[in-house]
Amino acid sequence: DTGVSQDPRHKITKRGQNVTFRCDPISEHNRLYWYRQTLGQGPEFLTYFQNEAQLEKSRLLSDRFSAERPKGSFSTLEIQRTEQGDSAMYLCASSLGRREDEKLFFGSGTQLSVL
Amino acid sequence: AQKVTQAQTEISVVEKEDVTLDCVYETRDTTYYLFWYKQPPSGELVFLIRRNSFDEQNEISGRYSWNFQKSTSSFNFTITASQVVDSAVYFCALSEAGGSGNTGKLIFGQGTTLQVKP
Repeated sequence: DTGVSQDPRHKITKRGQNVTFRCDPISEHNRLYWYRQTLGQGPEFLTYFQNEAQLEKSRLLSDRFSAERPKGSFSTLEIQRTEQGDSAMYLCASSLGRREDEKLFFGSGTQLSVL
Repeated sequence: AQKVTQAQTEISVVEKEDVTLDCVYETRDTTYYLFWYKQPPSGELVFLIRRNSFDEQNEISGRYSWNFQKSTSSFNFTITASQVVDSAVYFCALSEAGGSGNTGKLIFGQGTTLQVKP
């Protein structure tokens, strides 16, 4: 399977706990994106990386959220002290980063439920 | 501000009917890119089509076609002879070139749920 892989597919946690998600992009892709999608809405941009550098963060990404891409390969998204409002689908996407209109390849997402 | 609006929340058609999904966008950039993605129940968004702001030629690709009109800031998407497998949520998205080049960041609409009945 050469697509974008996300782990876990589902995560249930209690309010106040920390959670970490992993994303493995397509191997030759330089760019990696995190999006959040709530029920009935379109995905909202959170942050993106060009290789290991985090180049942009959305206002949606509070200080409880942190993302890393240590070696320019896989990425992790950590949420500290989770709140019920964090419940959503977290989507990862990747792209080559070589053309202006290039498409993103998405993973199947991690569904987070905060109880 | 950048914004994408999909006014149709849900559409239901019978198989083999044609269906058009509407998309209206707002941007201040003169160079931008428009996309349609499909999200089946599995959750993974799948790229369908894209169009550059400087090319208003409308095209057909298989059963898919699109109508891009800058004058009305619309980028509508049509599926011809719909099939049950087309049932999914469809998202229109906007990407801007920006002053420092294209980041690839997408602004999505709210999505239109298409149900194709047999």
